[in-house]
Amino acid sequence: QQQVKQSPQSLIVQKGGISIINCAYENTAFDYFPWYQQFPGKGPALLIAIRPDVSEKKEGRFTISFNKSAKQFSLHIMDSQPGDSATYFCAASMSGNQFYFGTGTSLTVIP
Amino acid sequence: EPEVTQTPSHQVTQMGQEVILRCVPISNHLYFYWYRQILGQKVEFLVSFYNNEISEKSEIFDDQFSVERPDGSNFTLKIRSTKLEDSAMYFCASSKDRGEAFFGPGTRLTVL
Repeated sequence: QQQVKQSPQSLIVQKGGISIINCAYENTAFDYFPWYQQFPGKGPALLIAIRPDVSEKKEGRFTISFNKSAKQFSLHIMDSQPGDSATYFCAASMSGNQFYFGTGTSLTVIP
Repeated sequence: EPEVTQTPSHQVTQMGQEVILRCVPISNHLYFYWYRQILGQKVEFLVSFYNNEISEKSEIFDDQFSVERPDGSNFTLKIRSTKLEDSAMYFCASSKDRGEAFFGPGTRLTVL
């Protein structure tokens, strides 16, 4: 059973463009939704996270939009840069227990 | 900035051998996790550990797996008798308050 569904699998964006990655979840008990960035050969690095009491959180060029009723959340990367090229994972957890990860999105930002 | 460290970075072992993967979580963190990632696939939960005991484990974490916090700083994952399908990247993570979890760089386990 896939607790968190992520799309698209891969994404190519021009430098300066907006990258948008979407995730959907099933379990309404989830209360913490982080996004992780992973470069090849490295561990996932926490990028930004949100709890369901807010609909949006912004940190620099990264924004999470959260739609509780639709059970969806998305990551927006504004002014995408080649250095943003990485794999992005959404995740969800309940009361800090195990994280359920999405299947990942490979982002390529072309100059 | 504090970070989670893991050793070794790469472990090669023969099928049936025991391996121990080591992690040093961030010092003031209380919750510890092991995850694994088979090449090209998503990150999968193995086990969480709090207050010197397992708080949650997945179906992957069977009798061949065990975790231990032998002292105040290390957190280890032991695989008693490795199988080919255990080949993966193993990530340790730690969390202060069951919120933000910080991952280590991983140990690549190759079982031959």
